[in-house]
Amino acid sequence: GNSVTQMEGPVTLSEEAFLTINCTYTATGYPSLFWYVQYPGEGLQLLLKATKADDKGSNKGFEATYRKETTSFHLEKGSVQVSDSAVYFCALSSSGGSYIPTFGRGTSLIVHP
Amino acid sequence: GAVVSQHPSRVICKSGTSVKIECRSLDFQATTMFWYRQFPKQSLMLMATSNEGSKATYEQGVEKDKFLINHASLTLSTLTVTSAHPEDSSFYICSATRDRGDSKIHSSTDTQYFGPGTRLTVL
Repeated sequence: GNSVTQMEGPVTLSEEAFLTINCTYTATGYPSLFWYVQYPGEGLQLLLKATKADDKGSNKGFEATYRKETTSFHLEKGSVQVSDSAVYFCALSSSGGSYIPTFGRGTSLIVHP
Repeated sequence: GAVVSQHPSRVICKSGTSVKIECRSLDFQATTMFWYRQFPKQSLMLMATSNEGSKATYEQGVEKDKFLINHASLTLSTLTVTSAHPEDSSFYICSATRDRGDSKIHSSTDTQYFGPGTRLTVL
């Protein structure tokens, strides 16, 4: 079946540091890959997505590249801000069956001034 | 566009009472909506898929008589937690996928639009 594995958090960084949150997946067919962000006390918001191999999703300075050969979709940002503190969820939606997304466990990011 | 609202945002109730949570797509039609439950510092657990005009599809282990889902229109789904108990306390989140015109067929590339969540506390 489908699964998503994210690095355990929390990830604690200073402002302007470089961010990487690792995400790997197992899926049938050709999945679409997503990163969602959840700010404290709120629901999830789509951050970015990629729907085929080698696609790069980007938004608000965050990027992730769909790597089929390594089954990965790592999230990166060159310079984080305090306002980026949130929980980040990697997810996939498989074309091989139900399109309902499968979520990773989430990675908490804490950015200090 | 693509805003999903939930009401209430927070509810506290006594054990044994029933609580209804509404999920609305404000600016698009959604034949299909999803209900999730999230425990502290954990991922989302899909509870059920809500289909307009038909019965909801529940995930394994979710009691359909406990968590009643009604999808009465293309913009509204409700989740009723019946005879709530303290162990039902959780953060409940809904999501919706935008219908494409008259098509009710979705694909893996579709984005899920999430509501802001409802914090349920059962005393």
